[in-house]
Amino acid sequence: AQSVAQPEDQVNVAEGNPLTVKCTYSVSGNPYLFWYVQYPNRGLQFLLKYITGDNLVKGSYGFEAEFNKSQTSFHLKKPSALVSDSALYFCAVRANAGNMLTFGGGTRLMVKP
Amino acid sequence: DTEVTQTPKHLVMGMTNKKSLKCEQHMGHRAMYWYKQKAKKPPELMFVYSYEKLSINESVPSRFSPECPNSSLLNLHLHALQPEDSALYLCASSQARQVGEQYFGPGTRLTVT
Repeated sequence: AQSVAQPEDQVNVAEGNPLTVKCTYSVSGNPYLFWYVQYPNRGLQFLLKYITGDNLVKGSYGFEAEFNKSQTSFHLKKPSALVSDSALYFCAVRANAGNMLTFGGGTRLMVKP
Repeated sequence: DTEVTQTPKHLVMGMTNKKSLKCEQHMGHRAMYWYKQKAKKPPELMFVYSYEKLSINESVPSRFSPECPNSSLLNLHLHALQPEDSALYLCASSQARQVGEQYFGPGTRLTVT
């Protein structure tokens, strides 16, 4: 069975400061990891993914994520937060086989001016 | 075109009604998904179609009936729903059998009265 944990229900950060949204995972075999963002009353938008290769993955809107195999983590980061980054963020994992995504519980990011 | 469209955007139905949700994509994706999402919760997988065949049914009640008429369309037929079925219903698509990201539609906000 695969699972994802996002330990923080909410992350607050001031505009211009760096942000981190945490994610840890459990999966058999090689993990395929994803970050999605959801704005109010909208569907999920893909931000970035890790499949293989460089542990630092760059994605949309200036976001990046670092894959750490030993800590089974895939934290989302951005060097300088914007108010418009305020949204609900979901980490997801997919096992090597199959096409089912397992989502974490979500983290609400609040960026204050 | 990287868009998944869903209609209607909002739907209010009584417990004795029959209605359908529609989803369409023109990205050539051969895997399509239905998710149910409650407020501030992660999406819950309901059904997966792969090459127009139902490949995963996550023990969804029979009052939800999926249909995939062709590779671009996905329907969800609703009958005799309960108030607890009120939620945001999300459609997604992805390349089948590849580790591609899923593209989500904006969702249908369903209210069962």
